[in-house]
Amino acid sequence: GENVEQHPSTLSVQEGDSAVIKCTYSDSASNYFPWYKQELGKRPQLIIDIRSNVGEKKDQRIAVTLNKTAKHFSLHITETQPEDSAVYFCAASRNSGGSNYKLTFGKGTLLTVNP
Amino acid sequence: DSGVTQTPKHLITATGQRVTLRCSPRSGDLSVYWYQQSLDQGLQFLIQYYNGEERAKGNILERFSAQQFPDLHSELNLSSLELGDSALYFCASTLGGWSADTQYFGPGTRLTVL
Repeated sequence: GENVEQHPSTLSVQEGDSAVIKCTYSDSASNYFPWYKQELGKRPQLIIDIRSNVGEKKDQRIAVTLNKTAKHFSLHITETQPEDSAVYFCAASRNSGGSNYKLTFGKGTLLTVNP
Repeated sequence: DSGVTQTPKHLITATGQRVTLRCSPRSGDLSVYWYQQSLDQGLQFLIQYYNGEERAKGNILERFSAQQFPDLHSELNLSSLELGDSALYFCASTLGGWSADTQYFGPGTRLTVL
């Protein structure tokens, strides 16, 4: 099955700096890569996702890049703010023919933005 | 607010007991997914239902079972509870039956087994 590795497990940055979180996946057929943000005790919330037909996607201060050859994808947050502090999860999944495959999550990155 | 609801918010019970967690998907969504989140295991997929039928199975223990009812709400039943079952249980819903559809998560049920 799919295996998703996420690094780093913790990341501390100063307000205004950029943050980068990286994930690798094992199943070369995976074609959907979402990122979720989870604040303490709250639900995971989708912040951005990318599908395998594109290499990069941006939404204001957040961007995701995908390298299918190397089987890795990254989350970039620019101009970080204290409210960006949370746990971020990457995930990967594929749909193939008539089969449905589960969404596999990385173990998460605790991002702390220091004022 | 994602539109996905879960009850109860908190559940405290003893080892050996049985509990039922409930999830109502967003209006119009046909699929419900159940996840277990513990500190050491992250978010683990348990099971998916689509329009009343089981669609995909993950690392769900035999002591756990689920079903989706005609009104599309779903219940996760956990029996013979053990200390290690203490976790946050989330459900998510999607419009269609594919895990690569955007999944919207509910607020979760925190289960504590004493």
